[in-house]
Amino acid sequence: KQEVTQIPAALSVPEGENLVLNCSFTDSAIYNLQWFRQDPGKGLTSLLLIQSSQREQTSGRLNASLDKSSGRSTLYIAASQPGDSATYLCAVRDSNYQLIWGAGTKLIIKP
Amino acid sequence: EAGVTQFPSHSVIEKGQTVTLRCDPISGHDNLYWYRRVMGKEIKFLLHFVKESKQDESGMPNNRFLAERTGGTYSTLKVQPAELEDSGVYFCASSQVYNEQFFGPGTRLTVL
Repeated sequence: KQEVTQIPAALSVPEGENLVLNCSFTDSAIYNLQWFRQDPGKGLTSLLLIQSSQREQTSGRLNASLDKSSGRSTLYIAASQPGDSATYLCAVRDSNYQLIWGAGTKLIIKP
Repeated sequence: EAGVTQFPSHSVIEKGQTVTLRCDPISGHDNLYWYRRVMGKEIKFLLHFVKESKQDESGMPNNRFLAERTGGTYSTLKVQPAELEDSGVYFCASSQVYNEQFFGPGTRLTVL
């Protein structure tokens, strides 16, 4: 049974720092992995999608990597800004097309 | 292009009542998914439609939950009768083929 873990559960850093959020999964037989952000009381915004055959994806200041064999993905945020404060979630898509979710990392960027 | 929309945004009902949630997917997306997040837990898959057919309903918690997608367009998720543990946020997503899923804003359900 696939399990997704995100570490840390919460992170607080000063504005301008680069940071890394971690996501691990127990079964390497995934089709893709998505990173999302959720702002308080809001919906889920897809940030990056990495297919199982890919190693990384980039969008602006965000870079997500995938190491399927070790069951790990990282989300790198460069030059963090207060507007990056949110909960970041990773989810893996399995062979049944379901997304299996981590519990999220709550990120606070201090001005 | 309009995104995934959900209605209502919030619903407060009493235990034993019935509630119907609606999801309108992105136009042209045959795949529609329901997920929910109950307090303090991870988001969990409920079910997956391909057009009007249920592809996978393995995540539906019990027979108090009924999902439909008549005509392969919008979908409804009915909870009858609602119980306290049904409280949470219900998310709908859609995708083209089996790729990136795009989510709606969610419906926050509170059962008193």
